[in-house]
Amino acid sequence: EAGVAQSPRYKIIEKRQSVAFWCNPISGHATLYWYQQILGQGPKLLIQFQNNGVVDDSQLPKDRFSAERLKGVDSTLKIQPAKLEDSAVYLCASSLGRGHRGTEAFFGQGTRLTVV
Amino acid sequence: TQLLEQSPQFLSIQEGENLTVYCNSSSVFSSLQWYRQEPGEGPVLLVTVVTGGEVKKLKRLTFQFGDARKDSSLHITAAQPGDTGLYLCAVYNRAGTALIFGKGTTLSVSS
Repeated sequence: EAGVAQSPRYKIIEKRQSVAFWCNPISGHATLYWYQQILGQGPKLLIQFQNNGVVDDSQLPKDRFSAERLKGVDSTLKIQPAKLEDSAVYLCASSLGRGHRGTEAFFGQGTRLTVV
Repeated sequence: TQLLEQSPQFLSIQEGENLTVYCNSSSVFSSLQWYRQEPGEGPVLLVTVVTGGEVKKLKRLTFQFGDARKDSSLHITAAQPGDTGLYLCAVYNRAGTALIFGKGTTLSVSS
């Protein structure tokens, strides 16, 4: 079974530039998450989709971050304009259900973003 | 305020030593998960505990869920270099929709 695919693996941009990340979840997984992980810390949830609808985007800095999941499959996360503090690994995860009593989340390898 | 407090933050030990890492909260949870993340990879689920007092074993790893379902521990016996990584505990939020992580314990095992 193919895992969660993310691209690119690495990205270096200058501050104030824009960047986009792509995620293809495991086939059949209705729930898709985007997390931001600062080096050495746990992932922080940015946004959660159930099919193509947003369930939770309370932690998403909406003035600069946006995300979409068209047709309930692939998703893109965009940052515009980027700031130095956006340097982090951006992880995409998917799960079969909506998270009841320990549903397993499957993670991609992440995109490491460096803003200079 | 962090929902899940993990300790210690960093741990550096020699191969063969035993260790325990902790995940604590003031909230009660219906279940709790432990993930391990290796450098350059995403987190991978190790175990899910759902019953207060539950103990689960995965080879040299022993997981325990507190009786009150507020805390959990992970004990590793005879650590090996392959155990090196970031150990994360995680729970679902009240709505049962989003997976929330602690800050993790970074473990380094040297040979």
